[in-house]
Amino acid sequence: NAGVTQTPKFRVLKTGQSMTLLCAQDMNHEYMYWYRQDPGMGLRLIHYSVGEGTTAKGEVPDGYNVSRLKKQNFLLGLESAAPSQTSVYFCASSKAPSSVGGYFGPGTRLTVT
Amino acid sequence: TQLLEQSPQFLSIQEGENLTVYCNSSSVFSSLQWYRQEPGEGPVLLVTVVTGGEVKKLKRLTFQFGDARKDSSLHITAAQPGDTGLYLCASKTRDSNYQLIWGAGTKLIIKP
Repeated sequence: NAGVTQTPKFRVLKTGQSMTLLCAQDMNHEYMYWYRQDPGMGLRLIHYSVGEGTTAKGEVPDGYNVSRLKKQNFLLGLESAAPSQTSVYFCASSKAPSSVGGYFGPGTRLTVT
Repeated sequence: TQLLEQSPQFLSIQEGENLTVYCNSSSVFSSLQWYRQEPGEGPVLLVTVVTGGEVKKLKRLTFQFGDARKDSSLHITAAQPGDTGLYLCASKTRDSNYQLIWGAGTKLIIKP
């Protein structure tokens, strides 16, 4: 039982490049979330999903897209990376809304130069 | 806009000391969660408090929810180096069942 896994763990991109972050969970959770964490700020919700095939915008969705084609996977895409997207990205999943009782992945540290 | 303010931002103490960190809001919480995050890892849920005045204990950690549900505290007794980490509070927003708002955290260092 691996919980929530994220790949890659680290990535450096040049401005304008694209990439996809993969999140996988093996707990059969309906709800999945993508957050970003920046120094001195709380976690901010980017997008979330309430079930397979659904996605919704969170607090800071601009510049990001997501897909939930399979229940266990939640992908976060950056189409044209900007330095403002330098951050640590966390995926989470939960049985109930609002991450109640939720589990977080180990994070992806992304640097955009 | 509901904000969560955590204090202090940073705390460094010796092993064996007691400490209290705080999470305050301008609005009433429906519920409040406390997390601990260690370097290079994601947050781990410690506790959820729901009822005003509620007190929950987790070994040496005591969590209290204010009577008016606008503030919460985390008290650690006889702190140990393993308690080192970033302590975060989070609460549901009024507008969405799916979104949490987060405090910026208290970075705690326990020196041996």
